[in-house]
Amino acid sequence: QQQVKQSPQSLIVQKGGISIINCAYENTAFDYFPWYQQFPGKGPALLIAIRPDVSEKKEGRFTISFNKSAKQFSLHIMDSQPGDSATYFCAASWDQAGTALIFGKGTTLSVSS
Amino acid sequence: GAVVSQHPSRVICKSGTSVKIECRSLDFQATTMFWYRQFPKQSLMLMATSNEGSKATYEQGVEKDKFLINHASLTLSTLTVTSAHPEDSSFYICSAALRIGGASDTQYFGPGTRLTVL
Repeated sequence: QQQVKQSPQSLIVQKGGISIINCAYENTAFDYFPWYQQFPGKGPALLIAIRPDVSEKKEGRFTISFNKSAKQFSLHIMDSQPGDSATYFCAASWDQAGTALIFGKGTTLSVSS
Repeated sequence: GAVVSQHPSRVICKSGTSVKIECRSLDFQATTMFWYRQFPKQSLMLMATSNEGSKATYEQGVEKDKFLINHASLTLSTLTVTSAHPEDSSFYICSAALRIGGASDTQYFGPGTRLTVL
């Protein structure tokens, strides 16, 4: 029940295309859902995050769609660029001080030029 | 803002020695700091949760006597890998939680420390 399931494991998208990564969770107590981007040899960087009171959040080319009833959320990267090639992790936690993140297994995105 | 640093970025040590890794929140005071371990092409595995001035809470399967965590201030946490062995070789990443309004935290990650034990 603590797991966050992420798919696909890897993704290849052409430059200019839309990259879509999906995550699903079981624990309905989760109320904070961030996405992190990680380049090889670097720490994860917070990309965008959403709380369940909204169904969508957009920041630049990155959009989170959230479906509370289905317990699913997804990351959409519009106009994907080669510089977006990285590993993306979804995560979930309780909106409470000092709570650790539960991470998905990650998706390796390759954007071909 | 919200920058977290780690030192060193890379360390190579001999088997049996101890290694200390520092994690600092540079421009904010962290309510909580976390330590993760990441193997190649895998996700982040939480090792422990650390609050300033109190003992760290370790995840199941993480040896607290081997991975010593000290959280001396609201901006500094250290992880010491004692009597390191080759199987401890990994990428260690810390994060610091920043309270943004109400009770919610946002975690910001350090750049990671690559530990290689020979």
